[in-house]
Amino acid sequence: EDKVVQSPLSLVVHEGDTVTLNCSYEVTNFRSLLWYKQEKKAPTFLFMLTSSGIEKKSGRLSSILDKKELFSILNITATQTGDSAVYLCAVVPMNTGFQKLVFGTGTRLLVSP
Amino acid sequence: DAGVIQSPRHEVTEMGQEVTLRCKPISGHDYLFWYRQTMMRGLELLIYFNNNVPIDDSGMPEDRFSAKMPNASFSTLKIQPSEPRDSAVYFCASSPGQSISGANVLTFGAGSRLTVL
Repeated sequence: EDKVVQSPLSLVVHEGDTVTLNCSYEVTNFRSLLWYKQEKKAPTFLFMLTSSGIEKKSGRLSSILDKKELFSILNITATQTGDSAVYLCAVVPMNTGFQKLVFGTGTRLLVSP
Repeated sequence: DAGVIQSPRHEVTEMGQEVTLRCKPISGHDYLFWYRQTMMRGLELLIYFNNNVPIDDSGMPEDRFSAKMPNASFSTLKIQPSEPRDSAVYFCASSPGQSISGANVLTFGAGSRLTVL
């Protein structure tokens, strides 16, 4: 069964800290990995990673994929209170079609002022 | 674009009652998904449609759950009869189809929070 495990489950940091969120997966015929940010409502898309070793970056957020070791990390530098959210990792198994995302349960990040 | 629109935002009902959740996808998106989110199990895919046709309903928990998409701009998820363990946030999402990289990026609605007493 395809599986995505995120760690830590929750995290509290101070504004300005740097955080690293982890996502490991077991999936047959991996296609891609996606990161979403979920505040109070809908998850919103952050990154999609398909190739190993290539960093995706958007402002203070960056992410990288290691297809050999089957994990990805999401880094947030100089954290702000607006970064407080649940961060979701999802993988797309190729053999189930490109549409089926398998999500982890998320990492809840709280950034205190 | 108004995004994916879901209703109701909150629903409180009693066990045994019928619940109908509604979704309007983004215009032009060919795929529509229903997800359920709980603390214990996270986001789980229930069913998805392509061009109004159900493609995979293997995530639908049991016969009490049904979903329809009568046209490109409307879908419903129905639970009859509802049970307390159905309490969760139900998300609808849509996507335009396969991207260049071969995977879909979903746009989620704000969710419908269901509480079954």
